Amino acid sequence: DVKVTQSSRYLVKRTGEKVFLECVQDMDHENMFWYRQDPGLGLRLIYFSYDVKMKEKGDIPEGYSVSREKKERFSLILESASTNQTSMYLCASSLATSEYNEQFFGPGTRLTVL
Amino acid sequence: AQTVTQSQPEMSVQEAETVTLSCTYDTSESDYYLFWYKQPPSRQMILVIRQEAYKQQNATENRFSVNFQKAAKSFSLKISDSQLGDAAMYFCAYRSKTGNQFYFGTGTSLTVIP
Repeated sequence: DVKVTQSSRYLVKRTGEKVFLECVQDMDHENMFWYRQDPGLGLRLIYFSYDVKMKEKGDIPEGYSVSREKKERFSLILESASTNQTSMYLCASSLATSEYNEQFFGPGTRLTVL
Repeated sequence: AQTVTQSQPEMSVQEAETVTLSCTYDTSESDYYLFWYKQPPSRQMILVIRQEAYKQQNATENRFSVNFQKAAKSFSLKISDSQLGDAAMYFCAYRSKTGNQFYFGTGTSLTVIP
């Protein structure tokens, strides 16, 4: 079974703090994604990566950056957390070459910025 | 960007009954993939069913089936013999055949009434 794990299920940070959310997958997937999930808005793509050190902006990249130094690990960074970044963050991964490129999701990190 | 619309924010169904969740999408492409994902409360998002656009036959996975109407750009999910464990948020998603990015709808929260 594919496993996608995220470093924390719940996180509370203060405004202005630098926040790191980490995601690790164990199935040698090329693609990794960070989404933000908010009620009534569904899942919105923040960034994705299709290879080590490669990244592409999604629909809402402002205020976020990412890092992918190893194939299995994809980090989301909030350089200076703000209250409007309080949300559920989901990581996902997928193969680049499979027919459906089904995404496998982590359990999510619920981030609260005070 | 492709748009995926789920017009039913909330639905409810009696246990053992059948329920249909609606999804429409907007695309100019002729070949693509469609997915339904399930997110149980406080649990990981998992794939329920998937469909490739060029396959006319509707996908089926046990009690879950889809009604794929390509011309109408509609992709509804039918859950038969509903069970308490079906209670979850359901997301419809689109992926282009040539791209890696998924586009998600805003979700439908399904309640199963005992």
